[in-house]
Amino acid sequence: AQSVAQPEDQVNVAEGNPLTVKCTYSVSGNPYLFWYVQYPNRGLQFLLKYITGDNLVKGSYGFEAEFNKSQTSFHLKKPSALVSDSALYFCAARNAGNMLTFGGGTRLMVKP
Amino acid sequence: DAGVIQSPRHEVTEMGQEVTLRCKPISGHDYLFWYRQTMMRGLELLIYFNNNVPIDDSGMPEDRFSAKMPNASFSTLKIQPSEPRDSAVYFCASSSFGTGPSYEQYFGPGTRLTVT
Repeated sequence: AQSVAQPEDQVNVAEGNPLTVKCTYSVSGNPYLFWYVQYPNRGLQFLLKYITGDNLVKGSYGFEAEFNKSQTSFHLKKPSALVSDSALYFCAARNAGNMLTFGGGTRLMVKP
Repeated sequence: DAGVIQSPRHEVTEMGQEVTLRCKPISGHDYLFWYRQTMMRGLELLIYFNNNVPIDDSGMPEDRFSAKMPNASFSTLKIQPSEPRDSAVYFCASSSFGTGPSYEQYFGPGTRLTVT
């Protein structure tokens, strides 16, 4: 069965510092991986995706993610965090039926 | 495009009442998904449709829940009778394969349901 794990419930980082939000996956076949962000009282917003090609994927708001097949990871990164990046982040994997399996979410807190 | 539209945004009802949540997907999208989000269980897929046909409803918690998609621009999720444990935020999302690997789903703002 397909699964996605986000090992950290919360990540704290100071503004201006680099941030990493971790995600590991277990899928059969080629992985199609996604990151979404959820701001308070809002729906999930798509950030970026890995389908194929370059292992470093760039997305919205300066975020990027690194696909690592050997470690079955797809960590979300940003070189310099902003207070406005504080939100709930979800990693997801798509199966052949276009269904997404979501991780449990990681709350990112960026402090001034 | 206005994005995925959901109504109502908030719903407060008493146990035993019928609740109907509504969703309008993005025009041209051929997949529609219903999710439920709670603190305890996170984000759960309830059911999804392809070209208005239900494909997988294995996530629907019980017979009190039903979903329909009478046409490409409208879907409903109904709970009858509602129970306090149904309190959650319900999201609708849509997507389209299109002519390329455009697999991302676009989410609506959600309906916050409170059953007292």
